[in-house]
Amino acid sequence: AQTVTQSQPEMSVQEAETVTLSCTYDTSESDYYLFWYKQPPSRQMILVIRQEAYKQQNATENRFSVNFQKAAKSFSLKISDSQLGDAAMYFCAYKDRGGADGLTFGKGTHLIIQP
Amino acid sequence: NAGVTQTPKFQVLKTGQSMTLQCAQDMNHNSMYWYRQDPGMGLRLIYYSASEGTTDKGEVPNGYNVSRLNKREFSLRLESAAPSQTSVYFCASISVGYSGNTIYFGEGSWLTVV
Repeated sequence: AQTVTQSQPEMSVQEAETVTLSCTYDTSESDYYLFWYKQPPSRQMILVIRQEAYKQQNATENRFSVNFQKAAKSFSLKISDSQLGDAAMYFCAYKDRGGADGLTFGKGTHLIIQP
Repeated sequence: NAGVTQTPKFQVLKTGQSMTLQCAQDMNHNSMYWYRQDPGMGLRLIYYSASEGTTDKGEVPNGYNVSRLNKREFSLRLESAAPSQTSVYFCASISVGYSGNTIYFGEGSWLTVV
């Protein structure tokens, strides 16, 4: 079974600074997806960024980018120019490309933005 | 499009009562899922349905039953609620295949068992 580990229960960053959230995973598969989800206090699950394992290029979405290290099974999220609206829980998640058994989530990182 | 719709959004139950959480999606997705979210635990898979007519256990299935009524609807039933089932429940759906794996979540159902 796949596992996803987020080793930082909580992170704090000053507004406008850059922060990196860590995620490692374990799988025997070679073809899969990795995701970062943002969950504000409303509990809505918002997709931040998605990485396909067969793509070597790191995914980028505006201020959000990832550092995908397939051999090391590492998938970190970098948030540049942090904004107050970025404050939320962030979850890393894994999914086999062809499997139907859903996403496996990490336990989350609570991101605090200091004004 | 409504996406994934869950009802009810909030519910308080007494220990031993039963209830059903309803989920419907209008995106013609084959696979549907029920997750629960507890503090410090992330989202954990309760049950899933890879296609109409099939259901499978996830990581934490004890105390729950599910029904895939048709392609649109996937319900989660608590037969005899326990305080340990106090949680936020999420339904999700996905179109599985090599063309993409976009997962859509409902807004969550907040359940308290007293």
